[in-house]
Amino acid sequence: TQLLEQSPQFLSIQEGENLTVYCNSSSVFSSLQWYRQEPGEGPVLLVTVVTGGEVKKLKRLTFQFGDARKDSSLHITAAQPGDTGLYLCAADNTGGFKTIFGAGTRLFVKA
Amino acid sequence: DAGITQSPRHKVTETGTPVTLRCHQTENHRYMYWYRQDPGHGLRLIHYSYGVKDTDKGEVSDGYSVSRSKTEDFLLTLESATSSQTSVYFCAISESGLGNQPQHFGDGTRLSIL
Repeated sequence: TQLLEQSPQFLSIQEGENLTVYCNSSSVFSSLQWYRQEPGEGPVLLVTVVTGGEVKKLKRLTFQFGDARKDSSLHITAAQPGDTGLYLCAADNTGGFKTIFGAGTRLFVKA
Repeated sequence: DAGITQSPRHKVTETGTPVTLRCHQTENHRYMYWYRQDPGHGLRLIHYSYGVKDTDKGEVSDGYSVSRSKTEDFLLTLESATSSQTSVYFCAISESGLGNQPQHFGDGTRLSIL
């Protein structure tokens, strides 16, 4: 079974701090996505990475896909309370059940 | 926002009763998915559909059935609900089934089985 392990599971930081969350697997994926989910809502796609070593930036968020396409990281610079939410990574499961999701990192940014 | 509506948004019912959740889309996307979200497990695929009357099982399909008689509607049925099916259920849609294509999610249905 292909698994996506996210770490940390929970992170509470002060506004203005930097943070990195991770998504790791022993499997190779053809693409990986990051979603953010707010309470009472469904996940919303932030980015898709498809090339090993790829780096994408979305304002204060920087996403990196590992060279071997087995892992990814999300770095947030100068976190703000609006960044609070559950961050999920998802990957193309070539085993047949379409996309698989990690359990998520729950981020809380205090003002 | 993608036009996805889930109904009901909340439901409380008793063990052994049948339950049907509805997902309605206005995007004319071919693929539709039902997931459940539980603490520590993330989103797990229950069933998905790749066209009208075309469905397939996901990772956690036992105890669930689905139907898609129209492009815009995807129904999830629990024939005889059990307490282990208490969860938050999300519907998602995508234009294609390729893993690198984004999925757009509804706002979920919180289901409690007592």
